[in-house]
Amino acid sequence: AQSVTQLDSQVPVFEEAPVELRCNYSSSVSVYLFWYVQYPNQGLQLLLKYLSGSTLVKSINGFEAEFNKSQTSFHLRKPSVHISDTAEYFCAVSEGPYNTDKLIFGTGTRLQVFP
Amino acid sequence: GAVVSQHPSRVICKSGTSVKIECRSLDFQATTMFWYRQFPKQSLMLMATSNEGSKATYEQGVEKDKFLINHASLTLSTLTVTSAHPEDSSFYICSARKLGEPSYEQYFGPGTRLTVT
Repeated sequence: AQSVTQLDSQVPVFEEAPVELRCNYSSSVSVYLFWYVQYPNQGLQLLLKYLSGSTLVKSINGFEAEFNKSQTSFHLRKPSVHISDTAEYFCAVSEGPYNTDKLIFGTGTRLQVFP
Repeated sequence: GAVVSQHPSRVICKSGTSVKIECRSLDFQATTMFWYRQFPKQSLMLMATSNEGSKATYEQGVEKDKFLINHASLTLSTLTVTSAHPEDSSFYICSARKLGEPSYEQYFGPGTRLTVT
């Protein structure tokens, strides 16, 4: 069975500092990997995804994540965070490409950016 | 855009009563809608998948007679928690897949906080 582990429930960081949110998964088949962000009082929004090809994927707002098959990880990074990045971040996996309906989520990491 | 709304955002009900939660895709047609449940400090757990005009598919361990799902149109799905008990208190989230988009693309609603007293 698939599972997703986000070890850090909260990550406090000062503005303009770098940040890494960790995500590890377990699966016996090839997977698609996702990061979702949830701002206060809003629904989850897809931040970035890995389906195939280049293992480094980037979002439009400066986040990037790298798929590491040997370490079964998909950590999310940003070199310099902004106050507006404060949100809950969820890592998710699906059995791609044959069962992409079902998303398995991690428990989420709350990123708190301080001025 | 692809906006999904949920109503109500918060609801408190007494034990033994039923409560209905609506999930609407506001600016697109949703072939499939998903219902998730989230306990505090835990991950979102998929409860069921519903396709317009057909019966919902429930995940293992989810009581279909307790959590009634109706997907009567391409823009509306409802989740009814019947005979609610305090252990049903949770955060319920829906998502929708847009017609013509890849199956892994889901658009999420803001969630509904249910408290059963």
